[in-house]
Amino acid sequence: DTGVSQDPRHKITKRGQNVTFRCDPISEHNRLYWYRQTLGQGPEFLTYFQNEAQLEKSRLLSDRFSAERPKGSFSTLEIQRTEQGDSAMYLCASSPLAGGLYNEQFFGPGTRLTVL
Amino acid sequence: ELKVEQNPLFLSMQEGKNYTIYCNYSTTSDRLYWYRQDPGKSLESLFVLLSNGAVKQEGRLMASLDTKARLSTLHITAAVHDLSATYFCAVDPGGSEKLVFGKGTKLTVNP
Repeated sequence: DTGVSQDPRHKITKRGQNVTFRCDPISEHNRLYWYRQTLGQGPEFLTYFQNEAQLEKSRLLSDRFSAERPKGSFSTLEIQRTEQGDSAMYLCASSPLAGGLYNEQFFGPGTRLTVL
Repeated sequence: ELKVEQNPLFLSMQEGKNYTIYCNYSTTSDRLYWYRQDPGKSLESLFVLLSNGAVKQEGRLMASLDTKARLSTLHITAAVHDLSATYFCAVDPGGSEKLVFGKGTKLTVNP
């Protein structure tokens, strides 16, 4: 399968713990995005990478959130000192080479985070 | 700040009927996307609309874009149960690589 993959698919944690999610984009897609989706809402942009460079971060991304894409391939999203308000589906998406006519993003299955 | 509004947010319809979902957005853009999401699943790309007057059709779904009115529509023809899902429109505001999504329209097609 050559789609976007995410791991884990589900994560339950206690408030105050740290969690890390991984995203593997479609091969050769150099853009990678993280979104957060809460129940009954559309996805909200968190951050995006072009290759290994993090080029934009939403103000939704507090200091407790950090994302990396060290070699321009997979990416990780870490949340430190989780809060109950962090409970959401975390979606990763990728899109092809910059400079294309449009920016169609292909989404992974998501990681559902529950903070108790 | 770009705002994207969809209506209705909930739609219950009978099989065989037609209906339209509307997507309004607040700033100029000529790139709009429609996605489908099944419960507990991720988003599946349906349509990419790139210019004023663009129309795309796939099966019982047809999407159009009017950039002057800042409006896109997703028309459902002769609905079937398999179309039950949540449909999102997303706008590419330009100058940024993020997509801005509407809240989604939850469609339920009843036998």
